[in-house]
Amino acid sequence: AQRVTQPEKLLSVFKGAPVELKCNYSYSGSPELFWYVQYSRQRLQLLLRHISRESIKGFTADLNKGETSFHLKKPFAQEEDSAMYYCALSPPGANSKLTFGKGITLSVRP
Amino acid sequence: DTGVSQNPRHKITKRGQNVTFRCDPISEHNRLYWYRQTLGQGPEFLTYFQNEAQLEKSRLLSDRFSAERPKGSFSTLEIQRTEQGDSAMYLCASSTDRVFSGYTFGSGTRLTVV
Repeated sequence: AQRVTQPEKLLSVFKGAPVELKCNYSYSGSPELFWYVQYSRQRLQLLLRHISRESIKGFTADLNKGETSFHLKKPFAQEEDSAMYYCALSPPGANSKLTFGKGITLSVRP
Repeated sequence: DTGVSQNPRHKITKRGQNVTFRCDPISEHNRLYWYRQTLGQGPEFLTYFQNEAQLEKSRLLSDRFSAERPKGSFSTLEIQRTEQGDSAMYLCASSTDRVFSGYTFGSGTRLTVV
């Protein structure tokens, strides 16, 4: 069975501090992995995906197949990063169903 | 095209009543997905369509739930004989069937069963 675990519900940091949002997954094979973000009063939107190896808004995420992890990182948090973040996976090769974690609230204080 | 549109935004209904939600996807997207989200949880997959064909249904989708996508455009999700446990945010998303294209989500319909 496929599963995404986000072990923490809330991360609160000061502006300028580093951020790491943890995500572990369980899947028999090589899934597609994503981070989605939901800012206050906005829709859920894609932040980044592992296959593209890109940095979006200063965030990066590295897939560690040995540890089955896909942690989201940013070296210097900004207040506008405050949001709900969801890690998600889907089967490889297609836009089929996503399995989401429970999400983590990131709060960046001034 | 203003993205994925869901109606209504909010719905309050009495237990036992039927409700229907509508989702209008991005016009060039041939895939459409329904998710349900309860407080403190991530979105949970319900079902998805490729054009008008319903390709997969979750076990979460009991017999009281039915989804359609006639003509492969908009979709409706109907819940019959609503129960208090059906109270949730119902999210719709759409995508192409190209690999790695990602989803576009709607704002959701919040259902409250009283």
